Amino acid sequence: QKEVEQNSGPLSVPEGAIASLNCTYSDRGSQSFFWYRQYSGKSPELIMFIYSNGDKEDGRFTAQLNKASQYVSLLIRDSQPSDSATYLCAAGRGDYKLSFGAGTTVTVRA
Amino acid sequence: DGGITQSPKYLFRKEGQNVTLSCEQNLNHDAMYWYRQDPGQGLRLIYYSQIVNDFQKGDIAEGYSVSREKKESFPLTVTSAQKNPTAFYLCASSIPAQETQYFGPGTRLLVL
Repeated sequence: QKEVEQNSGPLSVPEGAIASLNCTYSDRGSQSFFWYRQYSGKSPELIMFIYSNGDKEDGRFTAQLNKASQYVSLLIRDSQPSDSATYLCAAGRGDYKLSFGAGTTVTVRA
Repeated sequence: DGGITQSPKYLFRKEGQNVTLSCEQNLNHDAMYWYRQDPGQGLRLIYYSQIVNDFQKGDIAEGYSVSREKKESFPLTVTSAQKNPTAFYLCASSIPAQETQYFGPGTRLLVL
């Protein structure tokens, strides 16, 4: 079992809709969670991090964490074609290392 | 401008050759990391370093070596023992207390 699992997609959403990405993790010792966006051929860039249960909003992005269910999600509101990318979920347990999921590919169609 | 630089952008390796990938950061971060990314897969940790002159193996260290002689620099050598080196190599750095990692632009290694 992989430590961090994501649906590979592709997830196709119409422009202006909400994209919902899911991530589960197996290590209950995980304390911090990160979402990165990676455009094709480019390196990952940080979108958001979340440490506490509940929701965290930043612009059009909302991260949701449920430690009891070992579940992290990312919502992208008002999806734009520029949001088309692969989104990587990562979990850290406070030992300097992050475990990454394989990523979910999102396509926003105009 | 603060950031992480990696060079070269593309690197070609011949059979039996060792090659070195450069990673430099001016963010004053203590920790640095090397990852490998294969198509359709997540990032796999090769080596990481929390402080100068110290580094630890990650999940796939075989066939790779690193050094950390300066805080700003963390070069990765892909040795001839690495039989399947074709991949996208990513360097990252972080302030350990925050765990948030920031990535360089990457080096794509191809085998001739």
